[in-house]
Amino acid sequence: GENVEQHPSTLSVQEGDSAVIKCTYSDSASNYFPWYKQELGKGPQLIIDIRSNVGEKKDQRIAVTLNKTAKHFSLHITETQPEDSAVYFCADPGAATGGFKTIFGAGTRLFVKA
Amino acid sequence: EAGVAQSPRYKIIEKRQSVAFWCNPISGHATLYWYQQILGQGPKLLIQFQNNGVVDDSQLPKDRFSAERLKGVDSTLKIQPAKLEDSAVYLCASSSSRGLNGELFFGEGSRLTVL
Repeated sequence: GENVEQHPSTLSVQEGDSAVIKCTYSDSASNYFPWYKQELGKGPQLIIDIRSNVGEKKDQRIAVTLNKTAKHFSLHITETQPEDSAVYFCADPGAATGGFKTIFGAGTRLFVKA
Repeated sequence: EAGVAQSPRYKIIEKRQSVAFWCNPISGHATLYWYQQILGQGPKLLIQFQNNGVVDDSQLPKDRFSAERLKGVDSTLKIQPAKLEDSAVYLCASSSSRGLNGELFFGEGSRLTVL
């Protein structure tokens, strides 16, 4: 069945440093790879996504890279700021019989120390 | 554009009682999801609707949980009777693309505490 593994579970960095979170998926049919950010007391919000026809996508300080052969994709945050502190989830919409259901990883709690 | 609305934000009940959560998705979004998020974990899909039909409810504990989406717009998730392990945040999300290659828009969630 579908499985999404995410690590590390917790990441602490100094303000200005970079942070990298890795996600491994199992569904070979997957072709869309999103990352969500969840702040305390709120629902997850999409911050960046990538489709399988590209290997990397950047949006200001965040980027996502995809390795379809190895079935993993990573979130990169450069020049981290305190407001980047949150829980980050990767997700795999996958391809399941009868429809598509988005499976989320367990999350990475990022702490950015000022 | 208004986001996904959920209510109530917080609910405290005793075990064996019942509770209902309401969700109003973004206007025009055909797909609606209910996720359960236990503290410290990722969201777990309970049920997915396409318009007013169920696409997937394989993870919904049907002996105690039920959900409906009348007229393909608002949705209600009910738990009866509640157990201690049902304590979680219940997130509603909607999308325009059945989740395929598309963004899910989440509400702020309904936090349930079962005592």
